[in-house]
Amino acid sequence: GAGVSQSPSNKVTEKGKDVELRCDPISGHTALYWYRQSLGQGLEFLIYFQGNSAPDKSGLPSDRFSAERTGGSVSTLTIQRTQQEDSAVYLCASSLARATDTQYFGPGTRLTVL
Amino acid sequence: GQQVMQIPQYQHVQEGEDFTTYCNSSTTLSNIQWYKQRPGGHPVFLIQLVKSGEVKKQKRLTFQFGEAKKNSSLHITATQTTDVGTYFCAGSHNNNDMRFGAGTRLTVKP
Repeated sequence: GAGVSQSPSNKVTEKGKDVELRCDPISGHTALYWYRQSLGQGLEFLIYFQGNSAPDKSGLPSDRFSAERTGGSVSTLTIQRTQQEDSAVYLCASSLARATDTQYFGPGTRLTVL
Repeated sequence: GQQVMQIPQYQHVQEGEDFTTYCNSSTTLSNIQWYKQRPGGHPVFLIQLVKSGEVKKQKRLTFQFGEAKKNSSLHITATQTTDVGTYFCAGSHNNNDMRFGAGTRLTVKP
């Protein structure tokens, strides 16, 4: 089937605005991850969903960040009152079931906060 | 969560030279994965190691998992320009999460 898809591919917003980033995981994958990658930097873990379990939110940098996963499939990452330091590529990945299964990454959403 | 440390951060080599990146943890890992991210792309899975002392090869790439399962390495023999990118390790300490290292960015001069 299709791979992980993310939308939009690019998002430019003004400081203070809210943004929503969407991730469609591979069909049948129960685990879903969000990462943030600043230019030339590594992968910063944000949040992890596994089936019906409570998500691991330990990586969210502030309470302006939140994420939900509806029906165990599509996920939305919301950033409220965006700041310039939020500018980065936001990557979503899904895996079949366990945390240790191979992660398949989407192409990412490049967020620019002016 | 517990961290996985990766070194070096950057490596510049002449085409044909070898390259190695190292991943270390202070505590035992249940498994380790390696990913490659080409410039402008997203990370792509390369391999997973599970057993103590495990060695796996993919053409010019050799992956090792330490005997104590606290470290791992990726070695590329005779680098080519197509090897350019950032190599990430990701380790799990308890099978409930995977944490990525900071990555090693490899550049290859033709």
